[in-house]
Amino acid sequence: QKEVEQDPGPLSVPEGAIVSLNCTYSNSAFQYFMWYRQYSRKGPELLMYTYSSGNKEDGRFTAQVDKSSKYISLFIRDSQPSDSATYLCAMINTGGFKTIFGAGTRLFVKA
Amino acid sequence: NAGVTQTPKFQVLKTGQSMTLQCAQDMNHNSMYWYRQDPGMGLRLIYYSASEGTTDKGEVPNGYNVSRLNKREFSLRLESAAPSQTSVYFCASTTRGMANYGYTFGSGTRLTVV
Repeated sequence: QKEVEQDPGPLSVPEGAIVSLNCTYSNSAFQYFMWYRQYSRKGPELLMYTYSSGNKEDGRFTAQVDKSSKYISLFIRDSQPSDSATYLCAMINTGGFKTIFGAGTRLFVKA
Repeated sequence: NAGVTQTPKFQVLKTGQSMTLQCAQDMNHNSMYWYRQDPGMGLRLIYYSASEGTTDKGEVPNGYNVSRLNKREFSLRLESAAPSQTSVYFCASTTRGMANYGYTFGSGTRLTVV
């Protein structure tokens, strides 16, 4: 079993929809949780960063961490065609040097 | 623009050939990483350097070597390329050794081994 599980999609939504992207994990030592966005043929870029449990909002993006369920989510409100990309979840434990990545979910937002 | 620069962007090798992938960052980051990305497998860590002068193996180090040349530069070498090493390679860096604040990635090197 992988340490981090992420549905690869693809997920296709109409413009303006609310998108929910999710990851589950098995290592309860993970404390730092991140979401990266990766456009085609580009490197991943950090989108959201959260420590421990709770919510974090940045514009149209909300990251949610539920450590009791070992489940993290990224919500995108009022989705735009420019949001079409692969979204990677990532996590690391306190004091660790190695980030564990999910396989990524491909998102398509149709105009 | 500040960031992580990788060279080359594309490369085709024959089985058994060697090559070095170059990576340089100008953000004064302590830690640098090499990942490979394959369809359905996500990003897998090959080697990392927590600070200048140190290197450690990641999840998939076999067939690779690294050199942390100085604080800015971290190279990845394939001594004898194999078709299984066909992949997209990403270099990344972070401002702290514990990598708790997220990485800055380069734009990648697409390597094909035939």
